[in-house]
Amino acid sequence: GAVVSQHPSWVICKSGTSVKIECRSLDFQATTMFWYRQFPKQSLMLMATSNEGSKATYEQGVEKDKFLINHASLTLSTLTVTSAHPEDSSFYICSATYLGGDYEQYFGPGTRLTVT
Amino acid sequence: DAKTTQPTSMDCAEGRAANLPCNHSTISGNEYVYWYRQIHSQGPQYIIHGLKNNETNEMASLIITEDRKSSTLILPHATLRDTAVYYCIVRFRSNDYKLSFGAGTTVTVRA
Repeated sequence: GAVVSQHPSWVICKSGTSVKIECRSLDFQATTMFWYRQFPKQSLMLMATSNEGSKATYEQGVEKDKFLINHASLTLSTLTVTSAHPEDSSFYICSATYLGGDYEQYFGPGTRLTVT
Repeated sequence: DAKTTQPTSMDCAEGRAANLPCNHSTISGNEYVYWYRQIHSQGPQYIIHGLKNNETNEMASLIITEDRKSSTLILPHATLRDTAVYYCIVRFRSNDYKLSFGAGTTVTVRA
């Protein structure tokens, strides 16, 4: 149980375009979802925290107008990278915590974004 | 957040036990010790957690010192598939808790 999926698993887009990444909790209702970014050979960095039906809380230094997060339901959160540039190329990972559960964060498999 | 200190890297032989140390000298009484690992190009995977007592599950054992200032993750019989970056994190248990990932320990299991 407690499976989180991400779609797509990898995406290549051209500079200036926008790309949407989906994060779904497949077999549980997620009270909170988190978005992380990971550059090559670096650790995960938290970008934002989102709760269903509420605005996301962004970490310091993360541009909220560039990284749009929508948490529309208890099983789906989306991250849209707007006007992507090559420096946005990274590994994006989401995680979710279990409504009424064990406080664990269950991680998705990640989405590799390459901006050309 | 209590900070953790881990060795940058370590090698271990396949089939042998791998002992991964972690220092967390500023841990508070309500913070738990968690271990995650990240295999290359995948999302992190939960391994084990504990508060005071030693813990064991199907993946690993966690030994926490009596003063809780350090801990050791033990992979009893390392396999090549255990090659990953291992993260030791101290955290409170709440649904909206923000995990802070350090650099972790890169473990390479060699045949």
